[in-house]
Amino acid sequence: DQQVKQNSPSLSVQEGRISILNCDYTNSMFDYFLWYKKYPAEGPTFLISISSIKDKNEDGRFTVFLNKSAKHLSLHIVPSQPGDSAVYFCAGHTQPRGEVGGSQGNLIFGKGTKLSVKP
Amino acid sequence: SQTIHQWPATLVQPVGSPLSLECTVEGTSNPNLYWYRQAAGRGLQLLFYSVGIGQISSEVPQNLSASRPQDRQFILSSKKLLLSDSGFYLCAWLQRGGYTFGSGTRLTVV
Repeated sequence: DQQVKQNSPSLSVQEGRISILNCDYTNSMFDYFLWYKKYPAEGPTFLISISSIKDKNEDGRFTVFLNKSAKHLSLHIVPSQPGDSAVYFCAGHTQPRGEVGGSQGNLIFGKGTKLSVKP
Repeated sequence: SQTIHQWPATLVQPVGSPLSLECTVEGTSNPNLYWYRQAAGRGLQLLFYSVGIGQISSEVPQNLSASRPQDRQFILSSKKLLLSDSGFYLCAWLQRGGYTFGSGTRLTVV
């Protein structure tokens, strides 16, 4: 059961245009969502997050939108730059089974979308 | 400063050989630590997490094991590697509000 789905394995966008990366989820217990960016042979780096009680969070060129009724979130990058070319992972955060109010949590990742921004 | 170290960066091992990947964190105490794997064409899969010394939780049955011998050390091991163990292994540390990942280890089992 894939709880976090990124149905587009790749996306190509022209420099300066908007990049829209989509993510769907099935687990209604996620309490917040995160986007990570990953370059080849490197660990993912945190990009932006959104609490499940919000519908939008903006940080510079990056905006994440959450539609809880549709169980869908998207990451907008505008304007896109060649340096944005990377794999983007969407992740849902959940508490471990049987843990309530614990300090640790688990991330469930999608398979990622490879973004290519062409000059 | 708070940092996370993971090594080696790349590893080529024959089938049936043992494995030991090490992850250490600096600048904090009693961190929650995680091992993830990214296999070819797949997302990031949680393998193990640890909330303290000697405390390991396994998320997926597999050929691997993990240990937490010291507060800031998390080790991923295998007694006999399989071809299917090939992948990109990431150690992660939960901080307030998010996760920090190590630089990863590319493991190729041949």
